[in-house]
Amino acid sequence: AQKITQTQPGMFVQEKEAVTLDCTYDTSDQSYGLFWYKQPSSGEMIFLIYQGSYDEQNATEGRYSLNFQKARKSANLVISASQLGDSAMYFCAMRSNNAGNMLTFGGGTRLMVKP
Amino acid sequence: GAVVSQHPSWVICKSGTSVKIECRSLDFQATTMFWYRQFPKQSLMLMATSNEGSKATYEQGVEKDKFLINHASLTLSTLTVTSAHPEDSSFYICSARTPRRGPQETQYFGPGTRLLVL
Repeated sequence: AQKITQTQPGMFVQEKEAVTLDCTYDTSDQSYGLFWYKQPSSGEMIFLIYQGSYDEQNATEGRYSLNFQKARKSANLVISASQLGDSAMYFCAMRSNNAGNMLTFGGGTRLMVKP
Repeated sequence: GAVVSQHPSWVICKSGTSVKIECRSLDFQATTMFWYRQFPKQSLMLMATSNEGSKATYEQGVEKDKFLINHASLTLSTLTVTSAHPEDSSFYICSARTPRRGPQETQYFGPGTRLLVL
């Protein structure tokens, strides 16, 4: 079974500063994918970034980067130069390539960017 | 990214009525769609996996007779909440799996449907 843990229910960050959202996972699979989604108050789930378990380099997408530490089973999201529009819920998710490719979500972290 | 739509975005209904929610992949064909439920301040919980042309696979604890799923085409899956009750009030989100397989496979989510049962 897969499990995703996000230990920060809520976080504040000052506008223009960087912030790290934590995510740890537990799986016995060798092949899996890790995702981060943003959910603003409107409810839509916005795909941010993806990291494959065999990727040697950390994924980056614009201001988003994923700090992947496979031995520690962590996949933290780093948002650089925070903007007010970054205020939202953030979910870490894992897809096991051996379990029907379905996603398992963490509990989420609410990020609030202060002006 | 790929576009997935849901309709309606808001539903308010009386207890005992049935509600149908549509999920469409607008610019790609999705053989597999997923239905999630999200209660306030909680994470997404997978309800069922919808496969085009076959029966849906439900997660443990989800009543298949209450939450009817039909995936009649490669771009449309529907979730029908039958005889809805107030405890069914929730945010329902669908996602569609892109055709691209392998490590880069991604699920794209619809905007969600808020259901309020009075």
